[in-house]
Amino acid sequence: QQQVKQSPQSLIVQKGGISIINCAYENTAFDYFPWYQQFPGKGPALLIAIRPDVSEKKEGRFTISFNKSAKQFSLHIMDSQPGDSATYFCAAIVGGSEKLVFGKGTKLTVNP
Amino acid sequence: NAGVTQTPKFRILKIGQSMTLQCTQDMNHNYMYWYRQDPGMGLKLIYYSVGAGITDKGEVPNGYNVSRSTTEDFPLRLELAAPSQTSVYFCASSTRTVQPQHFGDGTRLSIL
Repeated sequence: QQQVKQSPQSLIVQKGGISIINCAYENTAFDYFPWYQQFPGKGPALLIAIRPDVSEKKEGRFTISFNKSAKQFSLHIMDSQPGDSATYFCAAIVGGSEKLVFGKGTKLTVNP
Repeated sequence: NAGVTQTPKFRILKIGQSMTLQCTQDMNHNYMYWYRQDPGMGLKLIYYSVGAGITDKGEVPNGYNVSRSTTEDFPLRLELAAPSQTSVYFCASSTRTVQPQHFGDGTRLSIL
């Protein structure tokens, strides 16, 4: 049973465009939702994270939108750049737990 | 500033062999984790530790063992390697107040 469903599997965007990656969850006990960025041959790196009491969080060109009633959250990358080409993972965790649950990942390609 | 260091980076094992994947961190983090990443499947938690002398199972612990004798080191042991354990293994660490984790660059393990 996949606890965090991520879509799309792959995404191709032109330079300067907006990249949107979506995630959905079922477990209402999740209370922390981080996003990770992974380049080939490297480990994931924390990009941005949000708690469900906030509907949106922005850090530079990266924005998380959170819809608690729909149990969905998404990552928006504004003005996408070729250097943003990577695999992005959403994740979720229950407060007090150490078990971070990951989505399956989205491979983003930004064409110049 | 080394962060999380994993060794070896690559390894090929024969079925039935054993090996230890090493992980060390220099950030004095209490929490350490082992994940495996299979193509298109995201990351799955194998084992985790909340401090020296304390370990616990994650989502996919079968076939693996861990120990945590010091804060810095968290080795992962494969006793009888099986083809299903072919994967990329990531070690991670975190502080209690910052749930997101710092990842190493991984060990790519093939079992033939």
